[in-house]
Amino acid sequence: GDSVTQMEGPVTLSEEAFLTINCTYTATGYPSLFWYVQYPGEGLQLLLKATKADDKGSNKGFEATYRKETTSFHLEKGSVQVSDSAVYFCAVKDRGSTLGRLYFGRGTQLTVWP
Amino acid sequence: DGGITQSPKYLFRKEGQNVTLSCEQNLNHDAMYWYRQDPGQGLRLIYYSQIVNDFQKGDIAEGYSVSREKKESFPLTVTSAQKNPTAFYLCASQTDTSYSNQPQHFGDGTRLSIL
Repeated sequence: GDSVTQMEGPVTLSEEAFLTINCTYTATGYPSLFWYVQYPGEGLQLLLKATKADDKGSNKGFEATYRKETTSFHLEKGSVQVSDSAVYFCAVKDRGSTLGRLYFGRGTQLTVWP
Repeated sequence: DGGITQSPKYLFRKEGQNVTLSCEQNLNHDAMYWYRQDPGQGLRLIYYSQIVNDFQKGDIAEGYSVSREKKESFPLTVTSAQKNPTAFYLCASQTDTSYSNQPQHFGDGTRLSIL
């Protein structure tokens, strides 16, 4: 079945540092890929998505590229801010599924210090 | 603004008690989902519904029940059979399950604790 392996946290960075959170997936079909962000005490917000190979999703300075050959969708940001402190979830949705369900990684806690 | 409303934000359950978590959406979405979130375990699917009057068990349905009488509403009942209910519960919705590139939208969650 579908699954997501996500870099374990916590990740602690200084402001303006470069961020990478690794995500790899397994899927039976040709999935769509998503990154969600969760701020303390809140639900999940969609950060970015990519729906086919070599697509790059981007939002708020974050980027991730759909790499079919390595089954990866790593999240990057060139210069993090304190306000980026949150939990980040990688998720996959198999295009062949009619159920529309998402499979999530375990989440990566990011803390950015000023 | 369109969105998903979960209530209450905090809920306490006594021993042997059933409690119901509310989830309402005004996005006109067909599909709705319930997830449970525990620290370090990510999100696990409890139940989902693709259309009104239809729902299916997810990966951890034991001790939970749902109904889908209206398109906008998908309440979750945590029954006394759920022996470890303490968790953060998230409701989500999606336009149509046939479009895999559409994201799920989430509510702000309900935190359930045992008294």
